[in-house]
Amino acid sequence: SQTIHQWPATLVQPVGSPLSLECTVEGTSNPNLYWYRQAAGRGLQLLFYSVGIGQISSEVPQNLSASRPQDRQFILSSKKLLLSDSGFYLCAWDLQGTETFFGQGTRLTVV
Amino acid sequence: QQPVQSPQAVILREGEDAVINCSSSKALYSVHWYRQKHGEAPVFLMILLKGGEQKGHEKISASFNEKKQQSSLYLTASQLSYSGTYFCGTVFKAAGNKLTFGGGTRVLVKP
Repeated sequence: SQTIHQWPATLVQPVGSPLSLECTVEGTSNPNLYWYRQAAGRGLQLLFYSVGIGQISSEVPQNLSASRPQDRQFILSSKKLLLSDSGFYLCAWDLQGTETFFGQGTRLTVV
Repeated sequence: QQPVQSPQAVILREGEDAVINCSSSKALYSVHWYRQKHGEAPVFLMILLKGGEQKGHEKISASFNEKKQQSSLYLTASQLSYSGTYFCGTVFKAAGNKLTFGGGTRVLVKP
């Protein structure tokens, strides 16, 4: 069966520090991969979308970047965090026309 | 572009019905519905792939009007467990496979 792992679950980082969130998927091949961010009480904002290794679509200009070094690995990074980067980050995967599966999320607080 | 959800919030008494609408300005390939409890990842409810399609999950059902580029989610005889935020996600025909979410509808079911 397919599973998605996302870590860490919570993270507190100072302003200006780097960020690396990792997401891996098991049990499927060539999935679409997503990073979403959710501010407190708000909707799911699509940040990055990937259809294959090295293929990243950035949806919103921002302080973040994403990489897909392997088929089932998706990494969200920042060189210098801003206060506005705080939020609930969700990794997700799907295949075309199917249900989208979410990881458990990372709650990032930038202080 | 995001789909537009309405209403933004709804309060129900247990046993009452509600309708949540999701509309798009662009042609849709599919519509996904999710429910999110506070602090948790969204949970998949259903996906509608064809115009005119209707589906159900417990006493929650949805319809997809491809011509009008909209979908509706029906909460029937609501239960306390239906409380949460409901998101519609859309895949636009002209935008590849990426899933974009509306702003969400907060549902509170009271005893």
